[in-house]
Amino acid sequence: DGGITQSPKYLFRKEGQNVTLSCEQNLNHDAMYWYRQDPGQGLRLIYYSQIVNDFQKGDIAEGYSVSREKKESFPLTVTSAQKNPTAFYLCASRSDRAYEQYFGPGTRLTVT
Amino acid sequence: EDKVVQSPLSLVVHEGDTVTLNCSYEVTNFRSLLWYKQEKKAPTFLFMLTSSGIEKKSGRLSSILDKKELFSILNITATQTGDSAVYLCAPSKAGGTSYGKLTFGQGTILTVHP
Repeated sequence: DGGITQSPKYLFRKEGQNVTLSCEQNLNHDAMYWYRQDPGQGLRLIYYSQIVNDFQKGDIAEGYSVSREKKESFPLTVTSAQKNPTAFYLCASRSDRAYEQYFGPGTRLTVT
Repeated sequence: EDKVVQSPLSLVVHEGDTVTLNCSYEVTNFRSLLWYKQEKKAPTFLFMLTSSGIEKKSGRLSSILDKKELFSILNITATQTGDSAVYLCAPSKAGGTSYGKLTFGQGTILTVHP
């Protein structure tokens, strides 16, 4: 089955710790995206990557980092510099020449 | 700065009602307008509209784009409890490193009571 997987589903961390969220896709999509969603809000773009070994900052990149070493994988690290890391994180991918993005099931991160 | 505003923010209706959800946008290098439905977790893709005045239909859902006035509407007729969800609109960009980049509105929360 083709799709996007994110793990874990729920993640709990203490303040001051870095944490890495996984996103893998087997759709052979070139572009991948990370969004953050807070309660009652839409999705805000953190980082995106159109091609392997290249990525761009989105609207709220501060306190986050990414890598794109393989086409299938786009992990997101939430660093201790992120002031309010507790949120629902969604990963998405898009085929080249298409506009619609397809989403993974999300990871809910809680930092206390 | 790109801006997307959806209205109303929330809507409560009864089964069988018809609803209209609004999305206005100001986006540079606009290419298409996408609608998504988000129930519990991942948003699922509903429609993409590229040309103005073209109505897209999928069963009880339809949508129109007005590229001159910079808005789109999503209509749902004969609503069912399964239509309860957050509906998100997202204009996409064309060209360059921003190709396919989406800017999401805050969403409309639709609740359909039996």
